[in-house]
Amino acid sequence: RKEVEQDPGPFNVPEGATVAFNCTYSNSASQSFFWYRQDCRKEPKLLMSVYSSGNEDGRFTAQLNRASQYISLLIRDSKLSDSATYLCVVIGGKLIFGQGTELSVKP
Amino acid sequence: GAVVSQHPSWVICKSGTSVKIECRSLDFQATTMFWYRQFPKQSLMLMATSNEGSKATYEQGVEKDKFLINHASLTLSTLTVTSAHPEDSSFYICSARGLGGTGELFFGEGSRLTVL
Repeated sequence: RKEVEQDPGPFNVPEGATVAFNCTYSNSASQSFFWYRQDCRKEPKLLMSVYSSGNEDGRFTAQLNRASQYISLLIRDSKLSDSATYLCVVIGGKLIFGQGTELSVKP
Repeated sequence: GAVVSQHPSWVICKSGTSVKIECRSLDFQATTMFWYRQFPKQSLMLMATSNEGSKATYEQGVEKDKFLINHASLTLSTLTVTSAHPEDSSFYICSARGLGGTGELFFGEGSRLTVL
């Protein structure tokens, strides 16, 4: 089993749709969790941290479920500019990236 | 926000030569830097964790004699790909975590290496 595993992509959705990604992790001692966004051939950029209580930033909501060892990212009212690859990052001694989920938002 | 600068952004070299990539934290001190490699359509794979003043910790399967990492100061880490071969062609990205950081990573712009 991979240390960090994400939903396989790509996700093709129309503008305005709501889309959710999941990311599971195997190390129960993992301490910090993040979602990053990566545009083609660019470096990843932090989208948001994920807290136990869940957190929201505009159209984006991140949640953590420690019991089931997964984090999620919900994007509401998708925009064309949301098209990118979304990477989850889990820190438990070392940083591990998920393989990324590609999102394509169509007009 | 914090800035991490990576240089060069792209390099083309002949097989058998060595290539050095620099990663600098410009406005903060980074006790820990990470080096990743990313092949097309794949995620970032951690190669090694570099701690200032000590030896790097390499991930399983990464040859430490081929990928030399030096973290001589709190603002600079270097990755040298020795005797590069075409299969080493990839996108190399460094990231840094600041002193007393919350865990957020700051990424360099990446270096695209093409070995002919």
